[in-house]
Amino acid sequence: ETGVTQSPTHLIKTRGQQVTLRCSSQSGHNTVSWYQQALGQGPQFIFQYYREEENGRGNFPPRFSGLQFPNYSSELNVNALELDDSALYLCASSLDGGGAGETQYFGPGTRLLVL
Amino acid sequence: EDQVTQSPEALRLQEGESSSLNCSYTVSGLRGLFWYRQDPGKGPEFLFTLYSAGEEKEKERLKATLTKKESFLHITAPKPEDSATYLCAVRRWITGGGNKLTFGTGTQLKVEL
Repeated sequence: ETGVTQSPTHLIKTRGQQVTLRCSSQSGHNTVSWYQQALGQGPQFIFQYYREEENGRGNFPPRFSGLQFPNYSSELNVNALELDDSALYLCASSLDGGGAGETQYFGPGTRLLVL
Repeated sequence: EDQVTQSPEALRLQEGESSSLNCSYTVSGLRGLFWYRQDPGKGPEFLFTLYSAGEEKEKERLKATLTKKESFLHITAPKPEDSATYLCAVRRWITGGGNKLTFGTGTQLKVEL
């Protein structure tokens, strides 16, 4: 059983640019959630995708958008990058809708630095 | 608004010195309280889920308990490899049919020889 994987591991961008982060969910999982973790803070919920549809969103502006593909992998896109977007971006996958406990298992994260 | 407060922010223990980490929470419609362990620069690693007051779960030197307002993570006879940041999170359903985790800021544990 493969765990959650994310790419790239590190990324440096300049203010105003756009970035795409990728996540492959754990085998058998149908739900992906994205979180932003600033240094010294707990992860903050961005949004969640279930079977290719967004089914929940946190307090993040529309320039944060996402996709989920038929194989349940996912992308997080951030437009018009700001300095405050510098953070560790975490993807978590879970098996929802089947009464399986819906525990979210996290990937290793992508470290984004905006200069 | 959901709130999760963890204390202490940092804890330094000697190997074998038992202690407890606290997680106080306020959430409307709790659908599970989660404990994760996070090593520097890595993603959180799942430890426990607790669903109802009075529930307890154990794994090696760790034991998690839950009341209606707080959860404790007890560490018995810790070893240096237990050094990490321990995160507490509460889950509830959200508009759209999904669910989200709200995390505390974590307790940074350092276990010394």
